[in-house]
Order: sequence, then structure tokens, then C-alpha cells
Amino acid sequence: GAVVSQHPSRVICKSGTSVKIECRSLDFQATTMFWYRQFPKKSLMLMATSNEGSKATYEQGVEKDKFLINHASLTLSTLTVTSAHPEDSSFYICSARGPGLGETQYFGPGTRLLVL
Amino acid sequence: AQSVTQLGSHVSVSEGALVLLRCNYSSSVPPYLFWYVQYPNQGLQLLLKYTSAATLVKGINGFEAEFKKSETSFHLTKPSAHMSDAAEYFCAVASGYNKLIFGAGTRLAVHP
Repeated sequence: GAVVSQHPSRVICKSGTSVKIECRSLDFQATTMFWYRQFPKKSLMLMATSNEGSKATYEQGVEKDKFLINHASLTLSTLTVTSAHPEDSSFYICSARGPGLGETQYFGPGTRLLVL
Repeated sequence: AQSVTQLGSHVSVSEGALVLLRCNYSSSVPPYLFWYVQYPNQGLQLLLKYTSAATLVKGINGFEAEFKKSETSFHLTKPSAHMSDAAEYFCAVASGYNKLIFGAGTRLAVHP
């Protein structure tokens, strides 16, 4: 139980284009989803927290207009990297938690973004 | 404020040897503590969690961790390392603000 998927697993795009990453909870209702960014050989950096049906709460230093987060249903959240640039290249990981799961977050497999 | 310190960014053990990965936490409230494992180019997999029940927590793949309040520690152990245990391990504490605070991670290498 508590499986989270992400799509795509890898994406390469040109500078200036937008990329959408999907995060889905497959067997539970995710009332809260989290988006992280991970740099090579580094720990996870929380970008934002989203509650279903509400606007996302962004961490300090994360650009809201650049990283658009939507959590329109209890099983789906999306992260859109708008006007991507090479410095946005990174590993993006989502996680989710829901009723009955307590404080535990279950993580997706991650999305590797490369901006050329 | 909550924080997590993982001592040792790299740990190397022989196959069959004891694995000990250290984690110390700081929390102003009774903590919820977690250990996650990350294999290359993958997300994080929950190994085990402490949620104020038993202080010795058993997880998957033969791992366990002991919560020691007096030492503010939650070290991860496994009696006998396997080659497949080579990965990055993260300790985390729930912040009470709906967030997980992660340590910097420890890379475990297992050699024959």
C-alpha cells in the first residue's frame, strides 16, 4: 500500500519551454503532497506543500511563478516548471501523505529534468 | 526548531559486517522519526519510523533503529550487511508543521 508514482521519469527540454511533472497516489487519498528538489549527492530540499483544493505553500526562496503547483484532486498533483533554464535541471521528487498514514510521507520515484 | 544531524557522509562496511548509521535529532516536542533509503536515480523508500510507541523499531530488509531520548539519537543498524544495501540513507524528523526535516544523508558502501 501507499504507492506514489511520477511521470515522466526523465525529460529533456529546450531552454524557454515549460515542463509538467505529474505525481499520483495510486492506492490512497493524498490530502497533502510535497515537492522536493534534489541536487547531485545532496539531501532533499522542500520546494512547496500543497493541500488538495488549496493553493500551494512555497518555501522561502522558491519562485511561485516559476514552479506552478496544482493539487486539484486527492490523487494528483502537478508541478510545472515554466520557462525552464539549464539551472532548473535537477531531480524532482514528490511525496504524499493522507488520512490514516499519520506523519509518514510516501515518495514517488522522481523525475530527472535536463534543460538544454 | 527541529533538526537532524547524520554523522558520517560515507560509511563503508564489508559484506556480512554490522551496519551502523548515526542520526541525532533536535526537537522541542516528542518527535516522529524516520529512516528512508534511496537507490540511484530513484525516490525514497521508507525503511522504518518511530511514532512514540516501542523505542526499538524494526523495519524492512532487516534494518532496525532504537530511539534514545536521553541521547537524542535514532541510529539505524543491521546485523549483517548485504551488497544490495549499498545506497543513500536519510534520517528525518517530522517538524510539526506538516514537513519532514531531512539529514544530509549517509552513503553506505558494501564491499566483498
